[in-house]
Amino acid sequence: GAVVSQHPSWVICKSGTSVKIECRSLDFQATTMFWYRQFPKQSLMLMATSNEGSKATYEQGVEKDKFLINHASLTLSTLTVTSAHPEDSSFYICSAPAAGGPGGEQYFGPGTRLTVT
Amino acid sequence: AQRVTQPEKLLSVFKGAPVELKCNYSYSGSPELFWYVQYSRQRLQLLLRHISRESIKGFTADLNKGETSFHLKKPFAQEEDSAMYYCALRLTSNTGKLIFGQGTTLQVKP
Repeated sequence: GAVVSQHPSWVICKSGTSVKIECRSLDFQATTMFWYRQFPKQSLMLMATSNEGSKATYEQGVEKDKFLINHASLTLSTLTVTSAHPEDSSFYICSAPAAGGPGGEQYFGPGTRLTVT
Repeated sequence: AQRVTQPEKLLSVFKGAPVELKCNYSYSGSPELFWYVQYSRQRLQLLLRHISRESIKGFTADLNKGETSFHLKKPFAQEEDSAMYYCALRLTSNTGKLIFGQGTTLQVKP
């Protein structure tokens, strides 16, 4: 089956610094990837849709300048949390549809736990 | 507005008992509904989708448009079914976006 990886699996950073999270589709190409945020024991909240070769589409209430998304290639999307604050601490998950564009079955990465101190 | 509601945060049953995890949705378009499962320390994975009308690991779910529900059922729960279950709605605007419910933790006791 299709596999999506994320790196790092966990990261601790100091308040005010930036941290980059990578999402890769390992055995398929993805023109679209999705970024979610998950608080402890809560649901996944869609943050943005990452589009290869064009700008990301952000959900209402998500700060574009804070959560920078770059879809550099058909197998890689990155989420950079800029000037991180403790309230940005969360579990970040990406997903990618395996075939046929955004409507295909989505495969999820294992997630990245971000802790901002 | 689109919304998915899972009213139970935790459902605890004994092994062999029937299970029903509730899911209701709100969407003005034609819904595509899914159940995802997340086992302990594992990633989210698709369990089943309404368009395939299949049974996976003994679970079934029927879309009821009149009641705007997509409840997940299994006649006899197993301990290995213990996990977090999410109901999700995919918007049919071809964006691929998924709207998730709050999730229900299923605990199957021996």
